[in-house]
Parts: sequence; structure tokens; C-alpha cells
Amino acid sequence: GAGVSQSPSNKVTEKGKDVELRCDPISGHTALYWYRQSLGQGLEFLIYFQGNSAPDKSGLPSDRFSAERTGGSVSTLTIQRTQQEDSAVYLCASSFIAGETNEQFFGPGTRLTVL
Amino acid sequence: SQQGEEDPQALSIQEGENATMNCSYKTSINNLQWYRQNSGRGLVHLILIRSNEREKHSGRLRVTLDTSKKSSSLLITASRAADTASYFCATGRGSTLGRLYFGRGTQLTVWP
Repeated sequence: GAGVSQSPSNKVTEKGKDVELRCDPISGHTALYWYRQSLGQGLEFLIYFQGNSAPDKSGLPSDRFSAERTGGSVSTLTIQRTQQEDSAVYLCASSFIAGETNEQFFGPGTRLTVL
Repeated sequence: SQQGEEDPQALSIQEGENATMNCSYKTSINNLQWYRQNSGRGLVHLILIRSNEREKHSGRLRVTLDTSKKSSSLLITASRAADTASYFCATGRGSTLGRLYFGRGTQLTVWP
């Protein structure tokens, strides 16, 4: 596609519910990244994929968070039993290949609000 | 964990003035990137400077890097109201391929 897309753009859920966030990277990009940004804060790394593998998932804050990527394309980030502190903007990015010199292209984000 | 710290946290200037934002980081890096974010949504890559470079230009942007002081600066010359955004520095480390470490950002407001 023309750019990284994320859905939904906004999600309001009740505490304890599960949510799924979706990221569709730029076509041909093999690396995909998930970040979280709380109000007024910088980006917190969660996990990245090279192809369908996740070499670094060290940023996932708890075992309630999981992510998968299938077909080397779309990725979903799942948060189980959501808590209020999960409220944030979840940003997805992709790059041609995983590497720190590669520009990461960001999607518009999903704003998650847990009531 | 966050790597960089930008300062100032907020900067307010008039159109036409120059804006300078600074970034400090803690560990050795291979490169440093600057990103811009509008309205708390997606980030846009501005410029990358490698650890063996001292200065880089792109249009009205000038980035410097001082690895001895572990700091970088982003200068926007002749600022415009459209430059109003948050600016983040991000660093990469060779040991964590692909992962970027972001600072908290500088909120720049340019008044017309």
C-alpha cells in the first residue's frame, strides 16, 4: 500500500476486555515494529518482526501483550484483560529490512482508551 | 527504557526565527535519527546522521552530532507555522538490530 495503515484509529474498551490492534505495513517491507506512546511521553518499543519472526520482544510489558505476523505482512497486537494503564497510542512502523540505519515509516496509530 | 533526552521540552518562537533542539543520549551509538510528530499521531523521519559524521543538512534542517559529549542538535532555520510539531531523536545500537530508542521529544510551537 501507499503507507502504513492501522486499525482501528480509536478504540475505547472496558477494563478486563481483550483488544486486537492491526497493522498493515508498506508492501515489500520485511520489518515491522510496534511502539507505545503514553500522553506526553516518547515512544516505548514493544516488539519487532523480521518476516514472521520476532527476534526482539523484550519491550512487551507483560504476558497480557502478544503479537503475531503472518505471511510477512499484516501484524496484530493483542492485549488481554486490558488495564487502565494500557491506555496509550499504539504505533506501528515498517522498514525495508530490520536495521538501525533503515528509515522506519510510521502509521497513524491506534488510540486505545481503557475505561 | 528511553535512551535520549531532548531539551528544551517545549519551545515557542515566532515565524522566521531559528529553532534549536538538543538531544543527549547515554550509550554508544551507531547512528542518530530525528523524527517529527504532528498531533500525537504517526512520526515522519527527518534525517539520519551516522556516528562518524559531525554535521548533516537537509533543506532548512541542520543536524550536528558530538559523540564525545553524546549529544546532537537539530536546527530549523527560518521556521514556519507549519513546523509546529513534536520532534524526537532516536538512536540505534548495533546489539539491538532494528530497535530504536526514542527520547521524550521537544514540542515546538511556531507563531505566525
